[in-house]
Amino acid sequence: RKEVEQDPGPFNVPEGATVAFNCTYSNSASQSFFWYRQDCRKEPKLLMSVYSSGNEDGRFTAQLNRASQYISLLIRDSKLSDSATYLCVVKGEDSSYKLIFGSGTRLLVRP
Amino acid sequence: DGGITQSPKYLFRKEGQNVTLSCEQNLNHDAMYWYRQDPGQGLRLIYYSQIVNDFQKGDIAEGYSVSREKKESFPLTVTSAQKNPTAFYLCASTSGRGIGEAFFGQGTRLTVV
Repeated sequence: RKEVEQDPGPFNVPEGATVAFNCTYSNSASQSFFWYRQDCRKEPKLLMSVYSSGNEDGRFTAQLNRASQYISLLIRDSKLSDSATYLCVVKGEDSSYKLIFGSGTRLLVRP
Repeated sequence: DGGITQSPKYLFRKEGQNVTLSCEQNLNHDAMYWYRQDPGQGLRLIYYSQIVNDFQKGDIAEGYSVSREKKESFPLTVTSAQKNPTAFYLCASTSGRGIGEAFFGQGTRLTVV
């Protein structure tokens, strides 16, 4: 089983739609969680960190479910500019610096 | 401006040659990472380093080597033992045990010719 798993998509949605991605992780001792965005042939950039209490940044909401070992990303009112690959990132247990990336979920927002 | 710099942006290698990819950061970050990305795939961890003169293998370390002689620098050597080295290589750094944001360089595209 992969340490971090994501549905590769693509998710093809119209502008204005709400779309959600999930990411599961295998190490129950994992401490920190993030969502990154990667545009084609570019480096990944941080979208948001994921906190135990959940967090929201504008149209984006991230949640963590430790019991089921998954994190989620919800995008409301999708824009054309949201088209990208969304990468789930998990940091291992507290003593480890290891950052593991999921394979990414591709989102296509159409006019 | 603080940041992380990778060079070169494009690199061509003949089969059987070793090549070294440069990664430098001036963010004063403790941890540095090398990832490999193949087309349509996610990032796979090659090596990471938590502190100077120390580094750990990631999931796909075979055929690669690294060094961490200075806090600012984490070069990656792709050796001839790496059978399929053509890929996009990304270097990243974080502060504070990796719990902060990971900053990435712009990547190096390596092609074997």
